[in-house]
Formats: sequence, structure tokens, C-alpha cells
Amino acid sequence: DTAVSQTPKYLVTQMGNDKSIKCEQNLGHDTMYWYKQDSKKFLKIMFSYNNKELIINETVPNRFSPKSPDKAHLNLHINSLELGDSAVYFCASGRSGTYEQYFGPGTRLTVT
Amino acid sequence: QKEVEQNSGPLSVPEGAIASLNCTYSDRGSQSFFWYRQYSGKSPELIMFIYSNGDKEDGRFTAQLNKASQYVSLLIRDSQPSDSATYLCAVPTGANSKLTFGKGITLSVRP
Repeated sequence: DTAVSQTPKYLVTQMGNDKSIKCEQNLGHDTMYWYKQDSKKFLKIMFSYNNKELIINETVPNRFSPKSPDKAHLNLHINSLELGDSAVYFCASGRSGTYEQYFGPGTRLTVT
Repeated sequence: QKEVEQNSGPLSVPEGAIASLNCTYSDRGSQSFFWYRQYSGKSPELIMFIYSNGDKEDGRFTAQLNKASQYVSLLIRDSQPSDSATYLCAVPTGANSKLTFGKGITLSVRP
């Protein structure tokens, strides 16, 4: 199926741990995004990559480090997890020069 | 003023009614506007976008854009219980295909 996929779907971990979320798209898009949606459902962009180059880097703690090995993949590594990192993290993709974005199913991160 | 504001809601309408969802934006230079629908526990799904002043219709959905007043609306005709979801307005802000989302309006359609 053509889609944006994310793994894992759920992630429960303790404070202080390090975790990664992976995203893949097979839509042929060249731009990928990470969004955070908090408990109040507010969707906020964190990072964006275009053809493996970081193009959007919002005010995000440097414990968050994105990586894009190629234009179809975007990963998010989080160090020293904190309670406030609990949220749903969405990956999205789109074509550069356009604003239509297509979202993955999300990863619900719970930090205890 | 926030870049994208969706202040009304939650909204409850009876089945078959017209649901009207509003969004205002601060950047007069914005050229395109997007509506996403998000069902509970699911990801946002693009349902409409509009670039020009006036109305754009797609089935039961109509997007209305008024650039002079800086608002964009989404009308849902003949609302169905399956339309119950949170509707997010999104506006490009800055470069690099960045979208800024409003906080969303939760719509509930009563059977």
C-alpha cells in the first residue's frame, strides 16, 4: 500500500531512557516532517527534511535529534526522556514547493 | 495574535444540518489554506484546500475564503454522524512548506 508508516505505534518507557521512532513513506515525496501533538490536541511542527537536508528546525530541546538516511525515511531519536515528552508524534510527507502533507498513523509515546 | 486561530467549539449539530467551522489567520500574505480532519485516535487527513477568494466545493464540503477579512471557513452540508471529528485549519507560514495548524474544532453530529 502507498502510505506513510511509522514504528512503533505505541511506546511506553521510563524517564531518562533513550528511544527512537522510525518513519517511511512510499509516496515518492521529497520532504518529510515530524510533528508533536500534545494532550490538548495541538499539532506543532518540530522538524522537516528535504532530500536528506534539514530545512525546518523549530524550538525543540536538543534531546531530540532527527535523521534522514534517504528521502523516503525519517527517524527521530530522543535522549533522556522526560514526562513532558509524552505525546503523539506524527510523521508526514509532501512534495517540496507544495503545502499538502500526508500523515502517518502516529506514535503514542508515554513516559512514566 | 496567534498565526492561526480556531476559537469556536466544540460544535454539536443534528444530523442533516449544516456545520460551519471557522478559522482566522494573521498573515495577510498567506495564499493557500488547508482543512484537515482528525478522527479520535487517528492521524490528520487532508480534506480540502483553497487558494482563491470565494468558495470551493467538494461533495458535501465547501471551503470559503475571504482574504480581506482573513478568515477561511469549512461548511459541511447534510452532516452525518461519520463527520464527527476534530477539524484542523492549517496555513503556510514562512518558507520550506511549513504549515501552522490551529488548535482544531471538535464537531459532534447527533443522530
